[in-house]
Amino acid sequence: AQSVTQLDSQVPVFEEAPVELRCNYSSSVSVYLFWYVQYPNQGLQLLLKYLSGSTLVKGINGFEAEFNKSQTSFHLRKPSVHISDTAEYFCAVSDQRDDKIIFGKGTRLHILP
Amino acid sequence: DAGVTQSPTHLIKTRGQQVTLRCSPKSGHDTVSWYQQALGQGPQFIFQYYEEEERQRGNFPDRFSGHQFPNYSSELNVNALLLGDSALYLCASSRDRGETDTQYFGPGTRLTVL
Repeated sequence: AQSVTQLDSQVPVFEEAPVELRCNYSSSVSVYLFWYVQYPNQGLQLLLKYLSGSTLVKGINGFEAEFNKSQTSFHLRKPSVHISDTAEYFCAVSDQRDDKIIFGKGTRLHILP
Repeated sequence: DAGVTQSPTHLIKTRGQQVTLRCSPKSGHDTVSWYQQALGQGPQFIFQYYEEEERQRGNFPDRFSGHQFPNYSSELNVNALLLGDSALYLCASSRDRGETDTQYFGPGTRLTVL
């Protein structure tokens, strides 16, 4: 069975500073990896996904993530955050054999002025 | 192109009642998955429907049931509601084995059980 650990429940960062949201996963099989964003009182929006190929994945809104198989990590990064990035971010994994997605508990990104 | 839509947006029920939530998938999608997101938690997989049948199920009791219609829309039914069923219920749609497993989520239905 797969699982996802998001190491930080909250991350405060100043506007225009860089940010990294950490995610580790465990799985005995090959997986797909995702980052979703949830703005207040809204559903989930896909930021980016890793399926295969290049380990550096670029997504929307200037976010990127790097898949590290040896460390079973998929950390999300952005070089300069904006106040509009305030949201909850979820790392997720799915088994390549089925569509069930397992989510982490989320990391709340606080942008400080 | 309309995305995934869900109705209603909010719902208040009392313990023991039954509730039905509805979902219309994104155009071109034939697979619908349902998730429960409790306050402060990540979404948890309830079940997935494809070709009008339940294809996969998460660790949820039989009080949670669903249905998929020929137009691919879906319903989630919860019987004998408990206080702990209060949550945001998210529907996600995808193309079966297409777009390499990208699921698109709706805005959710907020269920409050009193």
